Order: sequence, then structure tokens, then C-alpha cells
Amino acid sequence: GAVVSQHPSWVICKSGTSVKIECRSLDFQATTMFWYRQFPKQSLMLMATSNEGSKATYEQGVEKDKFLINHASLTLSTLTVTSAHPEDSSFYICSASGGRAEFSEQYFGPGTRLTVT
Amino acid sequence: GQNIDQPTEMTATEGAIVQINCTYQTSGFNGLFWYQQHAGEAPTFLSYNVLDGLEEKGRFSSFLSRSKGYSYLLLKELQMKDSASYLCAVRPGGYQKVTFGTGTKLQVIP
Repeated sequence: GAVVSQHPSWVICKSGTSVKIECRSLDFQATTMFWYRQFPKQSLMLMATSNEGSKATYEQGVEKDKFLINHASLTLSTLTVTSAHPEDSSFYICSASGGRAEFSEQYFGPGTRLTVT
Repeated sequence: GQNIDQPTEMTATEGAIVQINCTYQTSGFNGLFWYQQHAGEAPTFLSYNVLDGLEEKGRFSSFLSRSKGYSYLLLKELQMKDSASYLCAVRPGGYQKVTFGTGTKLQVIP
């Protein structure tokens, strides 16, 4: 199956700093990438959807100026958490899909665990 | 809005069969997914249903009834490694975005 990687797998940063998370589709071209956040014992919450070459679409309640998403190529999307605070500590997961919009399975990356101290 | 309901937790015995139910109320429907997620890991794809009926894939089967807004995931010959959370996700429209349920945590006991 298709492989999606994320880097880093975990990161600890100080409050007020910015963190960039990379999501790559390794063996297919991802026309759409999704960014999710998952708090302990909760389900995945979609943060934003990004299509290659266009601006990301953010879900209600997600600050686009705080969570910067760039989808510059068909194999790479980045999420930058700006001015991170302890409440941003979470498990961030990206997924990627390609092909026809009617049915496109999402392939998930392994996730990035962010801890803000 | 979108609403997806699953039981929070289930326990089943190794070697047995377990059925995890999912009901949904969404503004549209263009497919239902089941994912498995082990603690601390990302979800992995199990199945996809868009038409009514049963889809079988090895020890896992998934059923869909669109008129009832209902699906279930059936796991046969349970193994200890099947202990995980199982997420039901619905794609409301033609757009690829899906909405996830809160997941069912399955514990398999000896």
C-alpha cells in the first residue's frame, strides 16, 4: 500500500517557539493532504485540508494564522505550529490521498507527538 | 452537522467473534470507512463501504445499510493483537473530507 511519512515523530519545544512538521507521500502523488489533531482518548479532529498549489481550507475553530499549512508539491505538506503553547500539545497526524475524488482512501502518516513545555 | 456514534469500549475473548456498531447522521453520504488504531499510533485502513451489503476481507467484514444509517465491523477469530481502537468514519459528500467517530476501544482477553 501507499506510504506516508511524517517528521519528526516527536518533538518537545518551549512555549512561544514555532514547530514545523513535515508530511510526505513516498510512493504516490497526493493531490490532497489532511491534517488532524488527536488529544488523549479522543478521536481524530480534522484541522485543515490542503490541495497542492492552493491555500488550505481550515475547519471551524482552527486558527489559520497559528497553524500554517503549506502544500508546495504533490508529495510534501508542512504544518507549522506558530507561537506554541502547552495547550497545543497533542498528537498531530497527516493523511494523504490521490486519485479520483469519488473514492480516495486516506493513507495516514505515523503521527507526530508534540509536547510544549 | 455530522454525528457518528460508536460504543466507547468493548471486551471480547480470544478466538471469539465481535461486532462493533456505528450509526451516523450526516448531511450526505459518499462512503463509510473503518480504521484500526493502536495506542500511540496512526490509524490504518480496514475497509470501505459505499453500497449496502457486506464486504469481507479475511477475518474482518464490514456491513452497511444506508437507509438505516448503520454499519458494523465484524472481527472473527479474535487475536490478542486485535486489541485497539476501531474508528468509524463517514464521507458526507463528493469531497474527500471524512468525519471520524470517537472510536471503540476493543480489549481482547485470553
